[in-house]
Amino acid sequence: DAGVIQSPRHEVTEMGQEVTLRCKPISGHDYLFWYRQTMMRGLELLIYFNNNVPIDDSGMPEDRFSAKMPNASFSTLKIQPSEPRDSAVYFCASSSTRTGNTIYFGEGSWLTVV
Amino acid sequence: GDSVTQMEGPVTLSEEAFLTINCTYTATGYPSLFWYVQYPGEGLQLLLKATKADDKGSNKGFEATYRKETTSFHLEKGSVQVSDSAVYFCALSGYSSASKIIFGSGTRLSIRP
Repeated sequence: DAGVIQSPRHEVTEMGQEVTLRCKPISGHDYLFWYRQTMMRGLELLIYFNNNVPIDDSGMPEDRFSAKMPNASFSTLKIQPSEPRDSAVYFCASSSTRTGNTIYFGEGSWLTVV
Repeated sequence: GDSVTQMEGPVTLSEEAFLTINCTYTATGYPSLFWYVQYPGEGLQLLLKATKADDKGSNKGFEATYRKETTSFHLEKGSVQVSDSAVYFCALSGYSSASKIIFGSGTRLSIRP
């Protein structure tokens, strides 16, 4: 089975530009998570969805960040406008209540904002 | 609320040494407990898990036992290898956190040849 698929793997963008990160969860999983990882703050949960509905977005740092899940097989995390402090690795992950809530991670999107 | 505390890193050991990474938790009810590993440049991967008290999770020579009396889930390996160098995360999925997994801060492990 394919795992969680994220794109792009690497992105370098200029401050002020819009960034869109994409995620395809594992087929059949009903939970989708977006995490951010930095050296300073470690692994942070930004938002998670259940059956395409956002459940908890309390980790989203500010209004510049938004996430959508239009269907069960696709989600986006958008940053507009981007700032240098947004530079991080963004992970998408998915899980299923049928498999004991084990979370499966994608390989991450490495974002650098200059 | 639910939380996980794991030992600060970095931890540096020689090859074939014994490894322990401590993890304790606070949770309501009976959480499931996990260890994830992150190799350089990769995402987190499930290493092992335990879903009830006294369960032992094991994988790739690593073990951890769910100790409810001490609210702990320490990771151990009898003889580490250079290839075990990675960051290790303890995590829980608890009653109050539903399907949201709460991660510890991670422990970086480096193994010297």
